Amino acid sequence: DVKVTQSSRYLVKRTGEKVFLECVQDMDHENMFWYRQDPGLGLRLIYFSYDVKMKEKGDIPEGYSVSREKKERFSLILESASTNQTSMYLCASRGPGELFFGEGSRLTVL
Amino acid sequence: AQRVTQPEKLLSVFKGAPVELKCNYSYSGSPELFWYVQYSRQRLQLLLRHISRESIKGFTADLNKGETSFHLKKPFAQEEDSAMYYCALSGWGDYKLSFGAGTTVTVRA
Repeated sequence: DVKVTQSSRYLVKRTGEKVFLECVQDMDHENMFWYRQDPGLGLRLIYFSYDVKMKEKGDIPEGYSVSREKKERFSLILESASTNQTSMYLCASRGPGELFFGEGSRLTVL
Repeated sequence: AQRVTQPEKLLSVFKGAPVELKCNYSYSGSPELFWYVQYSRQRLQLLLRHISRESIKGFTADLNKGETSFHLKKPFAQEEDSAMYYCALSGWGDYKLSFGAGTTVTVRA
């Protein structure tokens, strides 16, 4: 059974804190993605990675960075969290077929 | 640039009635289209993709390149179809997917 695992389901952080969201996949996929999911806006792509140490900006990269040191792991970093980054964050990976999603990390920034 | 439009945010139907979720796209090349579904408290999962031409859980979707649409249809809605549905697009050979805003479907008894 394929798996994309996000380490934190719920986080509450304060404005200005540095936040790490971790994602691991066990399918040996080269492609990994971070989306944020907001009501009425759907899923918006933040960053994606085609290979280890490679990253590309998605549609809304401002305020975020990513790290891909190993093929199975893709981390999303909020250098200085702000209230407008309160959202559900979804990690996904893809091989030649469909996109597989993690369960999501709900982040609240106070 | 690629864009996916789902014009309906909410859709409410009675059990046994037909349901159609609209999806229009904008893409200059040859697209690959998908429908994803998210049931309550579950992760987002693939419902169907246009190249497989399958019927999944009674749902079908036909790619209409002339109208740039990929509407999702089911002739007889069931209560378990209540969920959030997303239409998504990727360029052929591109692994990145762009999603629409989503449609929340409620099937009433």
